[in-house]
Amino acid sequence: QQQVKQSPQSLIVQKGGISIINCAYENTAFDYFPWYQQFPGKGPALLIAIRPDVSEKKEGRFTISFNKSAKQFSLHIMDSQPGDSATYFCAAAERSNTGKLIFGQGTTLQVKP
Amino acid sequence: NAGVTQTPKFQVLKTGQSMTLQCAQDMNHEYMSWYRQDPGMGLRLIHYSVGAGITDQGEVPNGYNVSRSTTEDFPLRLLSAAPSQTSVYFCASSYRRDRHSGNTIYFGEGSWLTVV
Repeated sequence: QQQVKQSPQSLIVQKGGISIINCAYENTAFDYFPWYQQFPGKGPALLIAIRPDVSEKKEGRFTISFNKSAKQFSLHIMDSQPGDSATYFCAAAERSNTGKLIFGQGTTLQVKP
Repeated sequence: NAGVTQTPKFQVLKTGQSMTLQCAQDMNHEYMSWYRQDPGMGLRLIHYSVGAGITDQGEVPNGYNVSRSTTEDFPLRLLSAAPSQTSVYFCASSYRRDRHSGNTIYFGEGSWLTVV
């Protein structure tokens, strides 16, 4: 059973557009929600993360929106650039244990020039 | 500062062979873990460790063993390789979690394993 469900599987956006990736979770014990970015041949790297006590977190062009009641969170990439083309993973972790991330299935983003 | 270092980068095994994927970190992190990445399934946790001498199972532990004799090293052993273990393996490490600041988990660059 997939505890964190991510959509869409792939996404094509024009340069300058907004990329939106969505995730939903089941486990109400999750209280840490990071997004990871992965380029081909590389390991995932932390992009941005949010705790459930806030509804939004912004870092540069990247924003996480969090809806605790719906158990959903999303990543918005504003002014998408070709250099943003990568695979994005949402993840979740419980309060009691770190290093134990549950990942979504991943979204492959292509930003066209 | 090398971060999280994995070896080998690529390996081809025959069914039934055994091997060890090495992982080392130089950040003095308490926590270390192993994930496997398969198409369409994201990353799945195999085993993790919260400190030297302590290990526990993740989502997909069958067919793998780990040990943590030092803070720096966390090797992953495949006892009898099977084609289903063909995957990309990532080692990761992090500090003990700070409730107020969350947690940053650092990943190695991966080990590509093919079992034929």
